[in-house]
Amino acid sequence: AQKITQTQPGMFVQEKEAVTLDCTYDTSDQSYGLFWYKQPSSGEMIFLIYQGSYDEQNATEGRYSLNFQKARKSANLVISASQLGDSAMYFCAMRGRIQGAQKLVFGQGTRLTINP
Amino acid sequence: DTEVTQTPKHLVMGMTNKKSLKCEQHMGHRAMYWYKQKAKKPPELMFVYSYEKLSINESVPSRFSPECPNSSLLNLHLHALQPEDSALYLCASTLHRGRGEQFFGPGTRLTVL
Repeated sequence: AQKITQTQPGMFVQEKEAVTLDCTYDTSDQSYGLFWYKQPSSGEMIFLIYQGSYDEQNATEGRYSLNFQKARKSANLVISASQLGDSAMYFCAMRGRIQGAQKLVFGQGTRLTINP
Repeated sequence: DTEVTQTPKHLVMGMTNKKSLKCEQHMGHRAMYWYKQKAKKPPELMFVYSYEKLSINESVPSRFSPECPNSSLLNLHLHALQPEDSALYLCASTLHRGRGEQFFGPGTRLTVL
């Protein structure tokens, strides 16, 4: 079974600072994928970034980067130069399979608030 | 076209009503999902359709009835709901194989009175 743990229920950061959101995972699979999603108050889940277990480089997408430490089973999201629009709920997720279909296993989420 | 659309955006219904939620994608994705999300919680998987066939039902009560008329469209029929069914209902889709990232619609906020 796969499990995602996000230990920070809420974080408060000043605008323009960098922020790191923590995510640890547990799986017995050799091949797996990790994702981060952003959910603003409007409700839509927005895909941010993906890291494959065999990817040697940390994934980056604009201001988002994923600090992947395989031995420690962590996949932290780093947002550089935070903006007010980054205030949202952030979910870490892992690819799983159930009865032949792909599914996502989500963590409990971290609510990020960017202060002006 | 890289989006998933959902209608309606908001829905208020009584416990005796019958209503439907609609989800559409034109990305050629062959797996589609319904999730239920309560406030401050992660989405909970309800149903998975693969190639228009129901492959997963996560023990969802029969008052929720999914339907996949074609590869682009997913419906969720609602009947005799309870107030505790009030939640955000999210639809998502993904390629059947590959990285597995799911693309979500904006959701339907459902209130059951």
